[in-house]
Amino acid sequence: AQTVTQSQPEMSVQEAETVTLSCTYDTSESDYYLFWYKQPPSRQMILVIRQEAYKQQNATENRFSVNFQKAAKSFSLKISDSQLGDAAMYFCASNQGGSEKLVFGKGTKLTVNP
Amino acid sequence: DARVTQTPRHKVTEMGQEVTMRCQPILGHNTVFWYRQTMMQGLELLAYFRNRAPLDDSGMPKDRFSAEMPDATLATLKIQPSEPRDSAVYFCASGSGQGGFGYSNQPQHFGDGTRLSIL
Repeated sequence: AQTVTQSQPEMSVQEAETVTLSCTYDTSESDYYLFWYKQPPSRQMILVIRQEAYKQQNATENRFSVNFQKAAKSFSLKISDSQLGDAAMYFCASNQGGSEKLVFGKGTKLTVNP
Repeated sequence: DARVTQTPRHKVTEMGQEVTMRCQPILGHNTVFWYRQTMMQGLELLAYFRNRAPLDDSGMPKDRFSAEMPDATLATLKIQPSEPRDSAVYFCASGSGQGGFGYSNQPQHFGDGTRLSIL
């Protein structure tokens, strides 16, 4: 079965600093998608960024960027200029078996200190 | 912005009662997913539909759970009878799946979830 691993249960960062959240995955597929979702205390799951595995260029969305290392099956999220509103649970996910089904990691709780 | 709508937002009921959770996917989306989130297991896929047809419900306990899409604007997840171990947050998500060979490159959009507590 496909797995997604987030090795950091909790992370903290100072406001305006940069933080990187780690994610590794295991798949036998050659093409797939990877996602980072944010879940603030309001509980809503919000898509932060996505990466298509066949694209070598790392995806970026404003202050959010990824470091995608396909050979290493690594997909880390970098948040630059951290803001208090970035505090949330962050989930890494990958679609499973070439389908639309997503497999999620256990999440990383990010705290942003003023 | 178009959103996935889930009702109710909270539900507290006693063990043995029937629970029905509803989801209105984003208009035009043809795939619907049901997830369950617990502290221990994280986010787990229970079932998903494309064009109202169930594609996979392997993550769902068949003896007490059922998922349906009576029409394109409504998906339901029922638990009967409910048990304390069913307490969790249940999310619905929708997307625009392309179907056929391959998969959608469109992300899933999540609702706000239903927090279910079974006493």
